[in-house]
Amino acid sequence: GENVEQHPSTLSVQEGDSAVIKCTYSDSASNYFPWYKQELGKRPQLIIDIRSNVGEKKDQRIAVTLNKTAKHFSLHITETQPEDSAVYFCAASRSAGNKLTFGGGTRVLVKP
Amino acid sequence: DGGITQSPKYLFRKEGQNVTLSCEQNLNHDAMYWYRQDPGQGLRLIYYSQIVNDFQKGDIAEGYSVSREKKESFPLTVTSAQKNPTAFYLCASSLRDIQETQYFGPGTRLLVL
Repeated sequence: GENVEQHPSTLSVQEGDSAVIKCTYSDSASNYFPWYKQELGKRPQLIIDIRSNVGEKKDQRIAVTLNKTAKHFSLHITETQPEDSAVYFCAASRSAGNKLTFGGGTRVLVKP
Repeated sequence: DGGITQSPKYLFRKEGQNVTLSCEQNLNHDAMYWYRQDPGQGLRLIYYSQIVNDFQKGDIAEGYSVSREKKESFPLTVTSAQKNPTAFYLCASSLRDIQETQYFGPGTRLLVL
């Protein structure tokens, strides 16, 4: 089955700096890669996703890149703000009707 | 936060006891999911259902059971066969399938007495 590895497990950045989280996946047939953000004490929420027919996607300060050959994808947060402090999860699935496999999560702390 | 609710917020289980976690959604979503969240292990899929009266095992289904008698409801039973049930349980739903936005409930924390 699919295996998703996520690094780093914790990330501390200064406010205004950039943060990068990387994930690798094992199933070359995976074609959908969402990112979820879970603030302390709250439920996870989708922040961005990318499909395998696209190499990069941006939404304001957030971007995701996908390298299908290397089987890895990354989340980039620019101009970090204190409200970006949360746990971020990457995930992968191979097709509709199949399951979504999550990475272990990255705890991001933005220091003011 | 969407129209997906879970109850109770905290649940205590005694040895040998089965307990049931409730999950209800009013989003008219076809697909529903149960995840277990342990520290440092992300979200692991227990069961999922894409349509009423049908469900599939996820990665860690042993010791759990589900039912999907109504579109709105997807209860999870933690049986006595689950030897390490202490965790945070999250229910989610999506419109049709796994490759769409999943909306999560607030979660239930299960503790063993």
